[in-house]
Amino acid sequence: QSVLTQPPSVSGAPGQRVTISCTGSSSDIGAGYDVHWYQQLPGTAPKLLIYGNSHRPSGVPDRFSGSKSGTSASLAITGLQADDEADYYCQSYDSSLINSLFGGGTKLTVL
Amino acid sequence: QVQLQESGPGLVKPSQTLSLTCTVSGDSISSGGYYWSWIRQHPGKGLEWIGYMFYNGITYYNPSLKSRVIISVDTSKNQFSLRLSSVSAADTAVYYCARVVQRDGPFDYWGQGTLVIVSS
Repeated sequence: QSVLTQPPSVSGAPGQRVTISCTGSSSDIGAGYDVHWYQQLPGTAPKLLIYGNSHRPSGVPDRFSGSKSGTSASLAITGLQADDEADYYCQSYDSSLINSLFGGGTKLTVL
Repeated sequence: QVQLQESGPGLVKPSQTLSLTCTVSGDSISSGGYYWSWIRQHPGKGLEWIGYMFYNGITYYNPSLKSRVIISVDTSKNQFSLRLSSVSAADTAVYYCARVVQRDGPFDYWGQGTLVIVSS
């Protein structure tokens, strides 16, 4: 059972903007730990998309952005494209459990 | 370019021990500065962190798996390994190895993953 809560699915039409939320608690996101986001295309390993709440690794388009506030974080994708269709996961750290946490994942469908 | 590659049996019998190895290239485990991790994904499900290990052997495990997990390192081969004992069908998953800069950091490099099925 994931401690970080994400919506199971989101959808949007090409060109539109979608957001994916990630809700934690006072022992993880709310404790000040960073949130990171991953994109997992079908049949492949997850790929780091956003790190440190809002930073993009080299090669990630600026259509992808992240933010964090309080015990939650969000991933925004603008200008939706067909190849953005994937599963997206947030990740943070729990100081009470002393371990990394993943959200349950959100399936993005491009209509 | 850092690359990680998992290897090991794709089929394990119930109650036996699952053993996987991750071979790292493009970086040296013994150089320090990174934690080396195992993560799994049950079929059609989300990601589950199993544990990580620093180059000096210090380990941290998911509390839900701690009693059955051992992560170890062989710096001479630039490899680290996962052993999961007393497996059941619930341990059937794709197992990934990954690198993380610090315990609360992002997993920046991943292996391609290996499917392990637990079945008699």
